[in-house]
Amino acid sequence: SQQGEEDPQALSIQEGENATMNCSYKTSINNLQWYRQNSGRGLVHLILIRSNEREKHSGRLRVTLDTSKKSSSLLITASRAADTASYFCATDAFAGNMLTFGGGTRLMVKP
Amino acid sequence: DAGVTQSPTHLIKTRGQHVTLRCSPISGHKSVSWYQQVLGQGPQFIFQYYEKEERGRGNFPDRFSARQFPNYSSELNVNALLLGDSALYLCASKDTGNPYEQYFGPGTRLTVT
Repeated sequence: SQQGEEDPQALSIQEGENATMNCSYKTSINNLQWYRQNSGRGLVHLILIRSNEREKHSGRLRVTLDTSKKSSSLLITASRAADTASYFCATDAFAGNMLTFGGGTRLMVKP
Repeated sequence: DAGVTQSPTHLIKTRGQHVTLRCSPISGHKSVSWYQQVLGQGPQFIFQYYEKEERGRGNFPDRFSARQFPNYSSELNVNALLLGDSALYLCASKDTGNPYEQYFGPGTRLTVT
């Protein structure tokens, strides 16, 4: 079963706009991670936020975590056509063991 | 450095058959995990192995088994294939020095007809 639900399931924006994806989860976590997947191939790790952190930045990515609401958001600023991909949140309850993924958000960035 | 490699890339099997999927972790990584990703869904955890021992198992039937070899490569075996086993099978490895970040391979696309 999947721990998280992602919202929206699909998002279409113009190049240069910001994209926001949300993730909700059900149980306590050690950390939450965001991954990117192009065309149904391997996953690429984007960013990790620990349960005692509230916000983290990496380049054009900004992740927030609200453990009281069991939710996280991923913001991609100044999007590019190359950002077109599926984005997944994954929760890690046991500090480095199994990841539980959400259903993903399919992002399309139009040039 | 080479990333996680998986073989084969694609595979077509018939219901009832057996399949073996292979994974080579990044050099120096001793932990390997397997995930199943059905089309349109997020990956689901199947197994984790560390130093050749099973460290975690997801909610999958006994038809699924795995093992890790002394060189830390791994095999995932699925017996008595069902149509529902059609999926992308992903392998991930991680370094004991950074246990939180997993590096995924490109996956093996299994189609069961």
